[in-house]
Amino acid sequence: DGGITQSPKYLFRKEGQNVTLSCEQNLNHDAMYWYRQDPGQGLRLIYYSQIVNDFQKGDIAEGYSVSREKKESFPLTVTSAQKNPTAFYLCASSSQSGRSYEQYFGPGTRLTVT
Amino acid sequence: AQSVAQPEDQVNVAEGNPLTVKCTYSVSGNPYLFWYVQYPNRGLQFLLKYITGDNLVKGSYGFEAEFNKSQTSFHLKKPSALVSDSALYFCAAGGGGGNKLTFGTGTQLKVEL
Repeated sequence: DGGITQSPKYLFRKEGQNVTLSCEQNLNHDAMYWYRQDPGQGLRLIYYSQIVNDFQKGDIAEGYSVSREKKESFPLTVTSAQKNPTAFYLCASSSQSGRSYEQYFGPGTRLTVT
Repeated sequence: AQSVAQPEDQVNVAEGNPLTVKCTYSVSGNPYLFWYVQYPNRGLQFLLKYITGDNLVKGSYGFEAEFNKSQTSFHLKKPSALVSDSALYFCAAGGGGGNKLTFGTGTQLKVEL
């Protein structure tokens, strides 16, 4: 988990409220990613960003929004439009240079919406 | 579209025995392949990768994986399993020049005494 921090570790919200999950990295990586993990479904890509001030939708972007104003930070907002927001959320980053390609993950945030 | 299949939800093995966790993939162009491990309520930890070169890749904690292009497989192996290897293992694949990865659904490895 080194180099990528996610906060908080556990988050509880009432239905209908927006919530923002934090992700910060000090690895000087250009690319950052948000995944959602549900039991038996593996990791599904929500949004990713390859450079500051630019991001792309992943496979399940509906009901989520992101921003990338700084290289180090890639916050994810879970909006009230997300129909089933309770899940484990993972942030990752990767270098764009060389042939590294591997992604490094943060410790995750478990969001529970009731 | 990229896809990764991990056909076994769970693999059980006795400590000291060899283990194999299976993975097959479908990507455009030359694939780059990864294995990650996840312990409960933690993020994913990188184990090893194949980008190019030798088909047998060695990684952390004594794990290795064999890239088989004809079978589009990248199975994870370890000669002698430890109880501490018990965890959730994910295979991931990318390709086509992009840096998006597609993950499998994960395989729960249980190593028993």
